[in-house]
Amino acid sequence: DGGITQSPKYLFRKEGQNVTLSCEQNLNHDAMYWYRQDPGQGLRLIYYSQIVNDFQKGDIAEGYSVSREKKESFPLTVTSAQKNPTAFYLCASSMGPGFNQPQHFGDGTRLSIL
Amino acid sequence: QQQVKQSPQSLIVQKGGISIINCAYENTAFDYFPWYQQFPGKGPALLIAIRPDVSEKKEGRFTISFNKSAKQFSLHIMDSQPGDSATYFCAASESDKIIFGKGTRLHILP
Repeated sequence: DGGITQSPKYLFRKEGQNVTLSCEQNLNHDAMYWYRQDPGQGLRLIYYSQIVNDFQKGDIAEGYSVSREKKESFPLTVTSAQKNPTAFYLCASSMGPGFNQPQHFGDGTRLSIL
Repeated sequence: QQQVKQSPQSLIVQKGGISIINCAYENTAFDYFPWYQQFPGKGPALLIAIRPDVSEKKEGRFTISFNKSAKQFSLHIMDSQPGDSATYFCAASESDKIIFGKGTRLHILP
C-alpha cells in the first residue's frame, strides 16, 4: 500500500537534546511538508520541500531543521532551540509543487518533554 | 496575519441528521479549499475539496457549498453516522500558501 510512514509514534526529549522525526513516502510524490498540531489549533507549517535537495521555511521554522536528500525521505530535527516542542507532528506529501492540491498525511509523531 | 475562521468549535448531531461546518477566508487569491477528517491519534485524511469555479461539490453524503463573493465555504454531512464522529479541518490555499482552520470536533449521537 502506498502511503506515508512516520516514526516513531511517540518520542520523548530531554532538555538540551536534539531529536529527529522520520518521514518516508512511497507515493513517488515530489513535495513534502511538516506541520505542527497543538490542541485546539489548526495545522501550522514548519518546513516544506518541493523537490529533492531544496526546502523552504514555513510559518514556524525557528528551532527546527530539515533535509531532503532523497525523494522519499524528509526528516525533521527538533533542536534544543525549540523551547516548546511538545506537540503532534504531521508529515504530508503532494504529487507536485504548490499548496493548492491534495495533501496526504502520515499518522503523526507525538513529541513530549521529559 | 491571514486566518481561516472555522465554526463551530464543537458540534453534536443526532444520528441521521445534517452536520454543517462553516469556514471563512480573507485572501481572494486562494484557489483550493479542502476539508480534512481526523480521528484521534491519526493524521488528517482528505475528505472533499473544491475550487472556486464551482459553487457546490457533492461526494456521497458530503457536500461543499462555496460562496465566492462572501469568501465562505461550508461542509454538509447528510445522514450523519456515529462513524463520522471526528475532528474536521477546513483549509484555504494557493500555490505558495495554505492556512488551516482550527477544527471542529463533531460528535454524532447514536
